[in-house]
Amino acid sequence: AQTVTQSQPEMSVQEAETVTLSCTYDTSESDYYLFWYKQPPSRQMILVIRQEAYKQQNATENRFSVNFQKAAKSFSLKISDSQLGDAAMYFCAYRGRGVSGTYKYIFGTGTRLKVLA
Amino acid sequence: DSGVTQTPKHLITATGQRVTLRCSPRSGDLSVYWYQQSLDQGLQFLIQYYNGEERAKGNILERFSAQQFPDLHSELNLSSLELGDSALYFCASSVAPQTLWSYTFGSGTRLTVV
Repeated sequence: AQTVTQSQPEMSVQEAETVTLSCTYDTSESDYYLFWYKQPPSRQMILVIRQEAYKQQNATENRFSVNFQKAAKSFSLKISDSQLGDAAMYFCAYRGRGVSGTYKYIFGTGTRLKVLA
Repeated sequence: DSGVTQTPKHLITATGQRVTLRCSPRSGDLSVYWYQQSLDQGLQFLIQYYNGEERAKGNILERFSAQQFPDLHSELNLSSLELGDSALYFCASSVAPQTLWSYTFGSGTRLTVV
């Protein structure tokens, strides 16, 4: 069974600084996708960035980038120039091919990011 | 607004009761997924429907059931409620089971069992 582990329950970063959130996963599949979701106090789950496992190039979305190490099964999120609005719970998620071709997500337990002014 | 609508936003009920949570997927999306987020926990997959048919089951209790209607909205029924069922319940939708695109999440229903 696939698992997703986020070993940092909470992180803090100074405004304008850079922070990296860690995520490791375990799978025997070769075809899968990885995601980072942000959950602000509003509770809405917002997609931050996604990575296709077959792509070697790390995904980037503005101030957000990932370091995808497929062999190590590591998928970290780097937030550059942190802003107060980045404060939220961040979830790492894995999506593989489930039974009968269905795709379900497996989420980590989340990392709460605090941004200090 | 993500386009996925969940009602109600908040629900408080007593142990032993039964509640129904409703989800309307984003226009054009055929798949609906239900997740449970307990305090300090990640999201646990409960069940998935695609175009009215159940496609996958996760850690869904026998006291819980769901269905997707012809108009594609979905309902999650929780019965014989226990204190431990208090959680945030999310619905997400996508175009198809094999879609390459990510989920679109609703804003969740906060269930409190007292």
